[in-house]
This record gives sequence, structure tokens and C-alpha cells, in this order.
Amino acid sequence: EDKVVQSPLSLVVHEGDTVTLNCSYEVTNFRSLLWYKQEKKAPTFLFMLTSSGIEKKSGRLSSILDKKELSSILNITATQTGDSAIYLCAVGKRGGADGLTFGKGTHLIIQP
Amino acid sequence: GAVVSQHPSWVICKSGTSVKIECRSLDFQATTMFWYRQFPKQSLMLMATSNEGSKATYEQGVEKDKFLINHASLTLSTLTVTSAHPEDSSFYICSARPGPGTYEQYFGPGTRLTVT
Repeated sequence: EDKVVQSPLSLVVHEGDTVTLNCSYEVTNFRSLLWYKQEKKAPTFLFMLTSSGIEKKSGRLSSILDKKELSSILNITATQTGDSAIYLCAVGKRGGADGLTFGKGTHLIIQP
Repeated sequence: GAVVSQHPSWVICKSGTSVKIECRSLDFQATTMFWYRQFPKQSLMLMATSNEGSKATYEQGVEKDKFLINHASLTLSTLTVTSAHPEDSSFYICSARPGPGTYEQYFGPGTRLTVT
């Protein structure tokens, strides 16, 4: 059975801190790993990582895929209260139009 | 770009009635759309994969006769919850993939269904 495990499940830090969120996976026919940010409604896309793109960066957010360790991290530097959200990790598989398998998410709270 | 809309954003219905939820890709064509369900404080669970012009593929444990999916065009997929029961109350989210060779999915804003 495919598995995506995120840690920690929740995290409270102060504004300005740097956070690292973890995601590990066990799936057959891995193709891609995606990070999403979910606030009150549906997830918004952050990054997609594949064998040909194992590191992505956008502003204060960056992510790395470690295919050997079957894991990924999402880093957020100089956190702001607007970064408070649930961060979801999802894995896509090769071989067709399969949907994504999601982890349970990390609930990140940034205190002023 | 890559905007996905859902309608309605929330709906309350009585037990035993049917509810239709629409998912539209607004600025791209989506040969494949996905339907997810999210219960409170839980992650998204894939219900089914919807392919334009063909039957949907359902995940194990999802009743295809209860959750009817129709993908009539490259920009529209619908999910109909038939004979709804209170345990069907959930947040239903669709996503769309921009096309073959792309693997990121863009999500709609979701539909909150409450069955009384």
C-alpha cells in the first residue's frame, strides 16, 4: 500500500524563524512529489519535484527531493504570519492518470 | 493561469436527495480531472479519476453508483452524490491536470456538503 508520511504533524514558531517540514514516501512507480499549501479552502500548488528536478526555490520557500532516502523537505525562511497553513505533501505515480496520494499534512502556526 | 472553479461552494441537502457538484477548468483544457474528499482534520483522499469521454476510475471502497462522475467536455467534470446520507457530509475538492506530459494538479476551491 502506498504511503506518504509527513512530520511534524504540527509546529508553532515565531515570526522570522526558519522551518523545515519533512515528507517521506513509499510508493510503487514513483514519478513526482508535490507540495501544496492549504489555508481555509483547497490546496494551492507550491512545487513539483521529479528525477529531473530535485530542487526548487521560490522566494522564501525551497524544497529538495532525496530519491535515495525517499524523502523531501520544504524549507521556509524568515517566516511570516501569512505562512500559517497546513502544508501537504503528495506523490504522483508513473503509468497513467493516477491521482495523488497525500500525507496528513503539517499544521504550521506562525506567532507574531 | 491554471484556474479551476467549483460550484456550488457549499450546499445543504436533506437525506435521500441527490446533489451535483461541478468542476471547471477555466483557462486550460483538462483531459483528466480528479475528485477528492476531505474529512475534518484529515488529508485529502482520492475518490476517482475522471477522463474526458470515458468512464471514471474509482478508488477502492468508493461506490461508483453512489458517486456518479461525468466528464462531458475538456473543461467540465461533475460529481453527483446520489441518495445522500449524513455520513456523506464532507469537503469535496476537484483537481485538474493541464494535459498529457504534465503532472502537477491544480485544485478547485472545494464544495462543503452538509447532509441533514
